[in-house]
Amino acid sequence: EVQLVESGGGLVKPGGSLKLSCAASGFTFSSYAMSWVRQSPEKRLEWVAEISSGGSYTYYPDTVTGRFTISRDNAKNTLYLEMSSLRSEDTAMYYCARASSGYFDYWGQGTTLTVSS
Amino acid sequence: QIVLTQSPALMSASPGEKVTMTCSASSSVSYMYWYQQKPRSSPKPWIYLTSNLASGVPARFSGSGSGTSYSLTISSMEAEDAATYYCQQWSSNPPTFGAGTKLELK
Repeated sequence: EVQLVESGGGLVKPGGSLKLSCAASGFTFSSYAMSWVRQSPEKRLEWVAEISSGGSYTYYPDTVTGRFTISRDNAKNTLYLEMSSLRSEDTAMYYCARASSGYFDYWGQGTTLTVSS
Repeated sequence: QIVLTQSPALMSASPGEKVTMTCSASSSVSYMYWYQQKPRSSPKPWIYLTSNLASGVPARFSGSGSGTSYSLTISSMEAEDAATYYCQQWSSNPPTFGAGTKLELK
């Protein structure tokens, strides 16, 4: 059974930093590209990062480029999202998702980030 | 980026009623994907490659469309279908989602 378990969310002040983790199991982690998708309090979904299966290639939307860094450790079956210069608009539920053939075929349960002073 | 517009934003249906919701893309996309989300749960893959049902999705659901116009249809509404449905494209980067259609049980 595919499982994705996020952790690391919390309350951060504007301008602060945080690193999220996603532990994967039940599939060959190193064979799949992985993404982070967030959902705002207004329930809008936004893709925020993707990393290739081997970790060589990363992609971001303009809204987080330069502030977010996605990485992975295939030996530990773990995905990461390092976030800095956080803003109130980054407040959201962050989901780890497996990317396959143009969509997100498995999602974790999410971890919540709140950016507030 | 491609903007996806879902309509209606909110709808209600009685048990047994046929339901159709649409997703309009600002530019042509090759395929559309749909997710179902219920409160306090993560989105679940629901329809992939426009018309294929994900594992476990009841056969009363169907997807169709092409180009800039796509739809999700429920042939006969059931109580368990009450949820928010999101469309998503990845024909071009970045992948984008619609704002969702919230389907309530009447």
